[in-house]
Amino acid sequence: DAGVIQSPRHEVTEMGQEVTLRCKPISGHNSLFWYRQTMMRGLELLIYFNNNVPIDDSGMPEDRFSAKMPNASFSTLKIQPSEPRDSAVYFCASSSNRGKNIQYFGAGTRLSVL
Amino acid sequence: GQNIDQPTEMTATEGAIVQINCTYQTSGFNGLFWYQQHAGEAPTFLSYNVLDGLEEKGRFSSFLSRSKGYSYLLLKELQMKDSASYLCAVRAHNTNAGKSTFGDGTTLTVKP
Repeated sequence: DAGVIQSPRHEVTEMGQEVTLRCKPISGHNSLFWYRQTMMRGLELLIYFNNNVPIDDSGMPEDRFSAKMPNASFSTLKIQPSEPRDSAVYFCASSSNRGKNIQYFGAGTRLSVL
Repeated sequence: GQNIDQPTEMTATEGAIVQINCTYQTSGFNGLFWYQQHAGEAPTFLSYNVLDGLEEKGRFSSFLSRSKGYSYLLLKELQMKDSASYLCAVRAHNTNAGKSTFGDGTTLTVKP
């Protein structure tokens, strides 16, 4: 299995630009999670989906952030407009509701907003 | 809500044993996970406890006491490559879809 695939691995953009992060979960997993990690705030859950439906988006910082999961094999996290304080590593993870619900993480996208 | 506490940093010597503690307060309980995260990499799953007791997996063991809201990760025969952050994560009973709340992590430094 290829694992959770995220793209791009690195993104450098200017303040005000739109940023789109992409994630392909492990085939057969029915839960998908978007996290943000910084030194100051640690690993924060932004939003998660179950069977492509958003279950809890209470961690999304503000309306500039949005996430979609149009099908079981693809999800996006969009920031529009981006700000320097959005600079962080964004992780996508997936899990299966059958069994222990172990989360498997993608390699992450390192975002720098200048 | 959930509250998870673990030490921020620990240092140990190569070949030694180290215990990383995690305490939690949660409304309901449905499992505790330990993840390892090397600098610049993604978290990876280490262990899972849902019943009281010790789970052993090679050099790593994890213990859980649900009545005390307490877990620890035990690392034996420490190697330099064990230098990493160790994250404790708890899943509450009323959480569907496998959502877990993560602690802030314990950064372990293994010295020669």
